[in-house]
Order: sequence, then structure tokens, then C-alpha cells
Amino acid sequence: NAGVTQTPKFQVLKTGQSMTLQCAQDMNHEYMSWYRQDPGMGLRLIHYSVGAGITDQGEVPNGYNVSRSTTEDFPLRLLSAAPSQTSVYFCASSYGVGAEAFFGQGTRLTVV
Amino acid sequence: RKEVEQDPGPFNVPEGATVAFNCTYSNSASQSFFWYRQDCRKEPKLLMSVYSSGNEDGRFTAQLNRASQYISLLIRDSKLSDSATYLCVARATNKLIFGTGTLLAVQP
Repeated sequence: NAGVTQTPKFQVLKTGQSMTLQCAQDMNHEYMSWYRQDPGMGLRLIHYSVGAGITDQGEVPNGYNVSRSTTEDFPLRLLSAAPSQTSVYFCASSYGVGAEAFFGQGTRLTVV
Repeated sequence: RKEVEQDPGPFNVPEGATVAFNCTYSNSASQSFFWYRQDCRKEPKLLMSVYSSGNEDGRFTAQLNRASQYISLLIRDSKLSDSATYLCVARATNKLIFGTGTLLAVQP
């Protein structure tokens, strides 16, 4: 009963490094999204996808890329990590944007 | 101004108390609303959807007032296990907008 699987759970990067946060869901959900959560800021939408091959920007997309080549996977790429990207990242999926969103366990990213 | 605003708390209440959280939203076109619960260092999970007619799930009651653009969550007979952050969520076109959350601490 996997649900939404995010990897890695923890990561430390140096400024300027790039990396990909992985997200996979096994519920055949069309809608997937990435959020970052910072103290006092709540969950902010980075990018989202309404189906395979379709992605769009959320509230804070700068410095991040996404792709959706399959229904199951929605990776988030940090192009050149900055200390401002230190955060907890959550991936979520749902049947549609108004349906219950299921979240992964989160990735705690520190950029030094 | 944030699209969804909540009092961050903390709300410190004794076991058995009734506690209410309010949330306001700025986009009158918001289509649907939810309350999510997030335990410390965990992912958010859906607590309940919020309907215009109001809805109840056990000790939890949610209300929506479209005219005043606010949503409420009432928790009766608080349990220690209710201690968490409660996130108010509004659906805009193709995305969910989360409030910053209200922290509830239920004391024994």
C-alpha cells in the first residue's frame, strides 16, 4: 500500500549543486503537485501537473523544473541549489485538484 | 495579503475542551474548501471537506460562510491526540491554496 513515495527523505547540498527529488504514486492519480513548507509560510505550491505531459507553475517556481512523462512519476529538479531553497518539500497526488490530496512523507533539504 | 489566512496560535486547551478555529479566504471564486491535519514533522492529511451546508464528522464540525468568506472548524471534547497543526485549504482553479496553519496543543 505505497501511496506517494518521495525520495530521498533527507539531503544536504552545497550551493550550486543540482539534484532531483523523486516522487512516485501508485494510485493512478492524474493530478500531482510539489510544495515547499517553511516556518511561518505554510505550504507553497511550486509546480503542478494535471496529467502526463502537462505541467504548470505554481506560486514559487523559480529555481525548479518538473516533468511528467508518466502518470506515476513527477520529479522535481533543483537546477543550482541556493540556501534559500532550504526547506521541507512535499509531493502530493489526487484524482483531481478538488479531490483528497495524498502527500508523500517529505524531503528535508538543507543547502549550505 | 495571503489568499488563505489563519491565526497561527498556539491554542493551548485542556482535555475535554471545545476549541474553534477560523480561516478567511480572499478569492471569492474559490470553489471548495478543506481542513487538513499535520502532525509534527509529518505530512498533511485530509481531515474533512467543508460544505456550504456545514458538515460534521464525530467530534469535528466544519462550516463555510461564503458571504463573509470564512471557514471554521470546531473540535468538541478535545483529546490529547488532537494536538497537531490544522491547515485551512481553498481550491482555486487547478490548485490548492494552503493557510499557514493553526497549532493546537491539548493539555492533560
